[in-house]
Amino acid sequence: DQQVKQNSPSLSVQEGRISILNCDYTNSMFDYFLWYKKYPAEGPTFLISISSIKDKNEDGRFTVFLNKSAKHLSLHIVPSQPGDSAVYFCAASANDYKLSFGAGTTVTVRA
Amino acid sequence: GAGVSQSPSNKVTEKGKDVELRCDPISGHTALYWYRQSLGQGLEFLIYFQGNSAPDKSGLPSDRFSAERTGGSVSTLTIQRTQQEDSAVYLCASSSRTGDEQFFGPGTRLTVL
Repeated sequence: DQQVKQNSPSLSVQEGRISILNCDYTNSMFDYFLWYKKYPAEGPTFLISISSIKDKNEDGRFTVFLNKSAKHLSLHIVPSQPGDSAVYFCAASANDYKLSFGAGTTVTVRA
Repeated sequence: GAGVSQSPSNKVTEKGKDVELRCDPISGHTALYWYRQSLGQGLEFLIYFQGNSAPDKSGLPSDRFSAERTGGSVSTLTIQRTQQEDSAVYLCASSSRTGDEQFFGPGTRLTVL
């Protein structure tokens, strides 16, 4: 039973526009959330995280929003660049080392 | 510096055979994790090693799966009597300590025919 869900398997966006990736979770014990980015033939790399005590965290072009009541988080990339084309995974943990991942969203940034 | 490395990158085997997958974590990292990603699924936690503590094997799907970590460094994931449902990408990650950022290797793509 997947506790973290990314319902959009793919997203296509024009260069310079905003990319919005969504993630829903079911486990109310999750208190730490992460986004990972993955290029082909490489392992996922950490992108940005947010603790459950916050509702927003920003790092350059990347912003993660957390809505605990809706058990929903999103990643905004502004502006999108061709190098952002990758698979993005949402992950969550419940105060331990075990990460639960979503199935990923493939982002394609069109020139 | 060197990241997490895994070998082989690809493995094709016949149903019923045993396979060994290797992970070399980042030097000095005490925590090591194995995950797998089946087609269309997210990464699934398998097992966790931290220093000399007993590993957390709670994610292993069956007793055909086992893992070792020798000398607190290299880890081997062994799958005995492979089944077609074992086909997946097996990813290893390490962190400097528990709770720190996990750095992932490129994975081993296992195909069981």
